[in-house]
Amino acid sequence: NAGVTQTPKFQVLKTGQSMTLQCAQDMNHEYMSWYRQDPGMGLRLIHYSVGAGITDQGEVPNGYNVSRSTTEDFPLRLLSAAPSQTSVYFCASKDRGSGYYEQYFGPGTRLTVT
Amino acid sequence: EDQVTQSPEALRLQEGESSSLNCSYTVSGLRGLFWYRQDPGKGPEFLFTLYSAGEEKEKERLKATLTKKESFLHITAPKPEDSATYLCAVQAKGQNFVFGPGTRLSVLP
Repeated sequence: NAGVTQTPKFQVLKTGQSMTLQCAQDMNHEYMSWYRQDPGMGLRLIHYSVGAGITDQGEVPNGYNVSRSTTEDFPLRLLSAAPSQTSVYFCASKDRGSGYYEQYFGPGTRLTVT
Repeated sequence: EDQVTQSPEALRLQEGESSSLNCSYTVSGLRGLFWYRQDPGKGPEFLFTLYSAGEEKEKERLKATLTKKESFLHITAPKPEDSATYLCAVQAKGQNFVFGPGTRLSVLP
């Protein structure tokens, strides 16, 4: 199993540009999520999905879109990049069964917006 | 609103010097508390899940404990390879996690 994979690892954008961060998992997990990590602020939830075709907003959703057409993939789209979106982005997934399960994280994408 | 705080923000230990990291939480209906380790430039790596007050989990030099208001991550005789940021997260209602800001641990040889 590759677990959770993310591409690209690094990205530099100019203000106003758009891009998609890719995330895929091969563990057949129903729940997937996107976080951003900024110094001193911990991981903050951007969007999440509890299954294919179902997405919802987290704590900091503005400026980001997501879709979930398959169980495996959960891309994050930046519509018009702003310097405030400079951050490290992590995708995660977990089982959504009847218990309470840990999330597994990808290696992250470091994004710089100039 | 669910909240998680961690202390200290940073901790420097000599190799072999045991200590504890704290995670305090305010949630309505705790369903799980999770500890992660994060190395620089990498994603968080799962360590432990605790579900109820009084529960303890151990892994090598690490032991996690849980009370009704906080969790401790005890590090016994740490080694330099234990240097990392340790993150605490809680799951209350729903499927989402709330993370604390982390404790940055440095273990000096």
